[in-house]
Amino acid sequence: GAGVSQSPSNKVTEKGKDVELRCDPISGHTALYWYRQSLGQGLEFLIYFQGNSAPDKSGLPSDRFSAERTGGSVSTLTIQRTQQEDSAVYLCASSSQGGFHTEAFFGQGTRLTVV
Amino acid sequence: DAKTTQPNSMESNEEEPVHLPCNHSTISGTDYIHWYRQLPSQGPEYVIHGLTSNVNNRMASLAIAEDRKSSTLILHRATLRDAAVYYCILRDGRGIIQGAQKLVFGQGTRLTINP
Repeated sequence: GAGVSQSPSNKVTEKGKDVELRCDPISGHTALYWYRQSLGQGLEFLIYFQGNSAPDKSGLPSDRFSAERTGGSVSTLTIQRTQQEDSAVYLCASSSQGGFHTEAFFGQGTRLTVV
Repeated sequence: DAKTTQPNSMESNEEEPVHLPCNHSTISGTDYIHWYRQLPSQGPEYVIHGLTSNVNNRMASLAIAEDRKSSTLILHRATLRDAAVYYCILRDGRGIIQGAQKLVFGQGTRLTINP
């Protein structure tokens, strides 16, 4: 597709279950970012990938959160033992480089609800 | 990260110009000024960016103060589709260093357009 694709678009899960969120970046984009946005709040940075490596994981809120990227393309954000405070929209973005001069393209997000 | 300050909200009328201010008094000489906007129920989208000189593109203009401690995003003729939260973000231009690539979002300015 032409843009950043995220799946699923909506996910409802029970507290304590694990979830996987997927991001398909724009083809050829080497940089990939994950953010989350709680209801009515701003965007919170989670992790940044350059290729398959993650030079900045500073925003992951706890060790229940992990992410990987394979083949320099698809990325998966995994949340283990979900809690109600994990409910948010999880947004993925990609850019052709990681530097300051390029724009980031965002997907539509995955709305996660933990019940 | 150098911080930015924006008004929480602004209101304007359709087909009138809108000037969205941003203060960044601690900006460094290598920080680029980026603007993104987030329409309701969508991921953020890039608007414009600049370093020192004023910039124009099809979406907006960016006016940067001579001392670079403030900037203004200008929508020349607002439409109802411009109603969004607008984020002013500083991005470190000192090459590829860890952590320099992420976009740090503040609370932004919620722009309401009246018909």
